[in-house]
Amino acid sequence: GDSVTQMEGPVTLSEEAFLTINCTYTATGYPSLFWYVQYPGEGLQLLLKATKADDKGSNKGFEATYRKETTSFHLEKGSVQVSDSAVYFCALSRRGYQKVTFGTGTKLQVIP
Amino acid sequence: DAGVTQSPTHLIKTRGQQVTLRCSPISGHKSVSWYQQVLGQGPQFIFQYYEKEERGRGNFPDRFSARQFPNYSSELNVNALLLGDSALYLCASSPRTEDTQYFGPGTRLTVL
Repeated sequence: GDSVTQMEGPVTLSEEAFLTINCTYTATGYPSLFWYVQYPGEGLQLLLKATKADDKGSNKGFEATYRKETTSFHLEKGSVQVSDSAVYFCALSRRGYQKVTFGTGTKLQVIP
Repeated sequence: DAGVTQSPTHLIKTRGQQVTLRCSPISGHKSVSWYQQVLGQGPQFIFQYYEKEERGRGNFPDRFSARQFPNYSSELNVNALLLGDSALYLCASSPRTEDTQYFGPGTRLTVL
């Protein structure tokens, strides 16, 4: 079945550091890929998405590129801020299937 | 535009009781999905409804049921509550079943 594997957290970075959160997936066909962010005590917010190979999703300084050959969708940001502290979820959905499959989440803590 | 709304925000029940959670989708969205997020895990798919019909069901027992109303709002019912049902219940809406899902803030259910 479909699955998403994320690097385990927590990830602790200093402000203005470079961020990478690794994500790989297993799914047949060509799934759509997503990054969602969850701030403390809140629901999920869509951060970015990519729907086909080599697409780059970007939003608020975050980027991720859909790599079909390595089945990966790593999240990157050049300079993190304290306000980026949250849990980040990598996810996928497949055409014809109703559900979104999530990874277990990676907690990011940015310290001043 | 208003996002997905859910009620109540928090709920405390005892084992064996029944609970009803409510969700209003983004205006114009006809599909509603429900997810369970246990602390420290990614969301798990429970149901998807589109135009009042069930379009998908996850691996949850029959104690879980849902319905969608003509205005596209939805209710999730859980009977005979168990301690393990304690979780954040997330509702997501999308224009159609295969479109990107947008999540509400969730209902935190605690079963004592």
